[in-house]
Amino acid sequence: ETGVTQSPTHLIKTRGQQVTLRCSSQSGHNTVSWYQQALGQGPQFIFQYYREEENGRGNFPPRFSGLQFPNYSSELNVNALELDDSALYLCASSFGWGTGTDTQYFGPGTRLTVL
Amino acid sequence: SQELEQSPQSLIVQEGKNLTINCTSSKTLYGLYWYKQKYGEGLIFLMMLQKGGEEKSHEKITAKLDEKKQQSSLHITASQPSHAGTYLCGADIKGFGDNNDMRFGAGTRLTVKP
Repeated sequence: ETGVTQSPTHLIKTRGQQVTLRCSSQSGHNTVSWYQQALGQGPQFIFQYYREEENGRGNFPPRFSGLQFPNYSSELNVNALELDDSALYLCASSFGWGTGTDTQYFGPGTRLTVL
Repeated sequence: SQELEQSPQSLIVQEGKNLTINCTSSKTLYGLYWYKQKYGEGLIFLMMLQKGGEEKSHEKITAKLDEKKQQSSLHITASQPSHAGTYLCGADIKGFGDNNDMRFGAGTRLTVKP
């Protein structure tokens, strides 16, 4: 039990639709990172938020966007869904913003299927 | 290609046997994490290594960091069925981007036969 929760657990969408995934971080954790994990692959970094501001971004297009709220919750929004967006989406929270020294605690993930 | 290469990709061992998983980086490591993941679930933090030569143990799992070789190893002693899952190494590797992000290996899938 990491204290990080995600909703929904599973989601099925069709190509072109929009989706919002939610994450609730551990209380006191100021940083949330989002990852996309395709089947059989390691997680790929999407972006990170620190105290409600984007603090870094991986190689994902602008249709992937996020928000972080003062109550330690956050959202990942994906517009114009494509088939390749089908994956497990993971959020991870940490106290600080430097991933080199600060352990990230992961939620159970949201499995997104795009048809 | 992955910045972090894990080997082997998969491993099947008999219960009670020892095993080692390796993680090699193409860049300097600034902190190396080991996680375990059950299929379709989130990552469970195991250990973090920061200094060259550092070694940490938790129950029957030991991890070492060789900074010069840009490599880490995870060793499980007397494996049990509860050790089954996918083991992922992750690292903050400066130079891959100017942002804060963690890179992961593709994982090593461990099966332990009773």
